[in-house]
Amino acid sequence: QSALTQPASVSGSPGQSITISCTGTSSDVGSYNLVSWYQQHPGKAPKVMIYEGSKRPSGVSNRFSGSKSGNTASLTISGLQAEDEADYYCCSYAGSSTYVFGTGTKVTVL
Amino acid sequence: QVQLQESGPGLVKPSETLSLTCTVSGDSVSSGSYYWSWIRQPPGKGLEWIGNIYFIGSTNYNPSLKSRVTISVDMSKNQFSLKLSSVTAADTAVYYCASLLPAAVSFDPWGQGTLVTVSS
Repeated sequence: QSALTQPASVSGSPGQSITISCTGTSSDVGSYNLVSWYQQHPGKAPKVMIYEGSKRPSGVSNRFSGSKSGNTASLTISGLQAEDEADYYCCSYAGSSTYVFGTGTKVTVL
Repeated sequence: QVQLQESGPGLVKPSETLSLTCTVSGDSVSSGSYYWSWIRQPPGKGLEWIGNIYFIGSTNYNPSLKSRVTISVDMSKNQFSLKLSSVTAADTAVYYCASLLPAAVSFDPWGQGTLVTVSS
């Protein structure tokens, strides 16, 4: 069970859109539409932003959206804001009641 | 709403057993609503799922840690616990407890996390 692969960093200017990829295998991301995304500010616990691939919990801005194609899931943040600067992690169901997280992506707002 | 709080020693000696407890408020660990989970994050590194327990006692563990991990639930105290044996410096991390909706792969909410350092 290897960690899902994410880019180490992604940056964008305020108002722009950015996309973070999360690449797994046919045993995890590719087999299930069960990917969630977490936002983590420094020193804080992660917060779920997307679950079941594309659903937003109550209270999460509609600027956050999720999608999947093959073995790769993606998180798009539109209308980038300063408060979006954080680390982002994907997580996928990996079969046999196990779960695997991504390597994490640092988002910088320029 | 559900709230979670980790507790336990912040320093553990190498080769010993790390023990942490998560106290749940706002719901009962026996409600069946959630799987109760442990996740860790080494300093400056990413998240790693450790394992889950369901109130009936069924457990699931990360294969890479399975030989050293035990997760249990205490319904009388509304708590669940983590034990990690034979620890090394590589087990130094912030340990989080979280509730999991398995059908949604949604870990929510999380506790605030507790740093455990493995050092002599």
